[in-house]
Amino acid sequence: SQKIEQNSEALNIQEGKTATLTCNYTNYSPAYLQWYRQDPGRGPVFLLLIRENEKEKRKERLKVTFDTTLKQSLFHITASQPADSATYLCAPIVSGGYNKLIFGAGTRLAVHP
Amino acid sequence: DAGVIQSPRHEVTEMGQEVTLRCKPISGHDYLFWYRQTMMRGLELLIYFNNNVPIDDSGMPEDRFSAKMPNASFSTLKIQPSEPRDSAVYFCATTRQNYGYTFGSGTRLTVV
Repeated sequence: SQKIEQNSEALNIQEGKTATLTCNYTNYSPAYLQWYRQDPGRGPVFLLLIRENEKEKRKERLKVTFDTTLKQSLFHITASQPADSATYLCAPIVSGGYNKLIFGAGTRLAVHP
Repeated sequence: DAGVIQSPRHEVTEMGQEVTLRCKPISGHDYLFWYRQTMMRGLELLIYFNNNVPIDDSGMPEDRFSAKMPNASFSTLKIQPSEPRDSAVYFCATTRQNYGYTFGSGTRLTVV
C-alpha cells in the first residue's frame, strides 16, 4: 500500500540554523508533492508545491527538493526563527487527473532562541 | 476572500445523536475535500468532490458517515448516529487543479 514517512520525533534546532525535514514515500510515483505547515488548533497552510520534473524549488527561506529515484523530498528552512516552530506535513499527490493528497504524519519543528 | 469557512468551530454531542458539519468553499475552487485529524491517525481523507460530484468516498469509515455537496457554495458532512470514536477535528479543504489546498479552521467534534 502507499506509504508516507516523516520523522516522527520532534526536531529541535537553534535559531539561525538550517532545519531539514525528510519525507519518504513508497509504492507509488507522485506527479508532484506539496508541503504544509500546521500550527496547534489550526488547519494546515500550503507552503510549496514541487513537480516530478523539478529537482528544487525555493520560496524565501524555504527550499524543497524532490528525488524521484530515492522517493524522497527534503524540506529546508534556512536562518530558522522561533516563529518557524510548527508541524510540517508532506503530501504527495496521487496522480490520475484528480488532486487527491495523502498526508504524512508530520514532523514537529521547535526552533529555540 | 474569506477563505474556507467551516461551522461550527466546536461541537459537543451525546453518543447516538446526529451531527452535521458545514463547509463553504472558496469561490472558483472546484475541488472540495473532507479530512479527519486525530493524534493517532493523523490527517485522513474521508471523501472528495469535483464540481459538486463525489469522486472518491473510500475513506468514509462506515455507513454512519455521509457527505453532500448540493451546489458549488456548500457542503455537509453528517454522522448519524455519532459514537465516541468519532471525536476528532474535521477539516474541509478546497482547491483548483494543481494548486495547494486551502483548509478551513476545522470543527472540533467531541462525542460523549
